[in-house]
Amino acid sequence: DADVTQTPRNRITKTGKRIMLECSQTKGHDRMYWYRQDPGLGLQLIYYSFDVKDINKGEISDGYSVSRQAQAKFSLSLESAIPNQTALYFCATSDLYRDEQFFGPGTRLTVL
Amino acid sequence: AQSVTQLDSQVPVFEEAPVELRCNYSSSVSVYLFWYVQYPNQGLQLLLKYLSGSTLVESINGFEAEFNKSQTSFHLRKPSVHISDTAEYFCAVSGGGSQGNLIFGKGTKLSVKP
Repeated sequence: DADVTQTPRNRITKTGKRIMLECSQTKGHDRMYWYRQDPGLGLQLIYYSFDVKDINKGEISDGYSVSRQAQAKFSLSLESAIPNQTALYFCATSDLYRDEQFFGPGTRLTVL
Repeated sequence: AQSVTQLDSQVPVFEEAPVELRCNYSSSVSVYLFWYVQYPNQGLQLLLKYLSGSTLVESINGFEAEFNKSQTSFHLRKPSVHISDTAEYFCAVSGGGSQGNLIFGKGTKLSVKP
């Protein structure tokens, strides 16, 4: 089984809808991250969490919110989706004492 | 603030030729450096990393990168590429410690042609 899983893998939704993307990990890591990937822009950090009680904004947090339900679960929500949030979304985890990050397979989101 | 510049957005190369993917970084603190690879329709996988020690680091599939502090570079090289190396490669920097999050470059698409 994969160490970092994301659901759904693909989602098509309409402008104004609320969407939740979920991430689960079995690596036992404390740190979890949400990134957005757009062609030619690389990965941009949306939110990150160092433990269940710690949530931090990344460079592009506007229009997004997160919830860290447990050490193993970190969800990303789009409160009211808009077309320019169409992108590939990745969840990642890392160990408290190391900086290598382990990525999930990604969620491809299309907002019409 | 930290930043990463990948100087080439696309690199086409023939099979068995050498390749270098360039990465420069900017940071006011000591850094950890990473190269990740993304194969088509997949997530990112760590290719190699520099944390400390030897400035030359190697991956299991023949890639190597050298940390050059004076030139603030971490270029990725392979002496002979294969078709299966076709992918997008991302350079990333982390300040380590309490920061922990990675700053990624915009990526370099390596296209290996037969």
